[in-house]
Amino acid sequence: QKEVEQDPGPLSVPEGAIVSLNCTYSNSAFQYFMWYRQYSRKGPELLMYTYSSGNKEDGRFTAQVDKSSKYISLFIRDSQPSDSATYLCAMSALGGSYIPTFGRGTSLIVHP
Amino acid sequence: EADIYQTPRYLVIGTGKKITLECSQTMGHDKMYWYQQDPGMELHLIHYSYGVNSTEKGDLSSESTVSRIRTEHFPLTLESARPSHTSQYLCASSEPLGGGSTDTQYFGPGTRLTVL
Repeated sequence: QKEVEQDPGPLSVPEGAIVSLNCTYSNSAFQYFMWYRQYSRKGPELLMYTYSSGNKEDGRFTAQVDKSSKYISLFIRDSQPSDSATYLCAMSALGGSYIPTFGRGTSLIVHP
Repeated sequence: EADIYQTPRYLVIGTGKKITLECSQTMGHDKMYWYQQDPGMELHLIHYSYGVNSTEKGDLSSESTVSRIRTEHFPLTLESARPSHTSQYLCASSEPLGGGSTDTQYFGPGTRLTVL
């Protein structure tokens, strides 16, 4: 079983839709949960992160962590065509190497 | 935008050639990484470095080597390229995140390598 599972999609939605992107994980030691966005022909860039459980909001983006279910989500409100990208979740435990474990990414397409 | 650069961006070469993928960062980060990324697949860590003269192999078995003679420079070398090396190679550097108990990574734009 992989430590981090993420459906690769693609997920296609109309402009203005609410998008839900998700990851599950098996390592209960993970405490930091990150979302990266990767546009075509570019490297991933950090979108937002949360520590432990709870929600975090940044503009149209909300990150949610449910440690009891080992499940994290990224919600995008009022999605725009410019949100079309691959979204990768990443997680790391306290201490250790600090190197995150990445999901395979979900390809999101927002069509006008 | 992160100040991390990779050259070349695209490379098509024949089997058996020796190649070096360049990576430089101007952020003064000690930690640097090389990842391999195939479409729809996880990022696979192939090498990393915690600072000058420090290099470690990652999770993915690789026939590549790296060096870290200067903080800002972390080149990846394939001594004899094979078609199985065809992939996207991403370089990254990192700095502490939040309270300093983990790192966030800054990625370069990648080198897309095709070995014929």
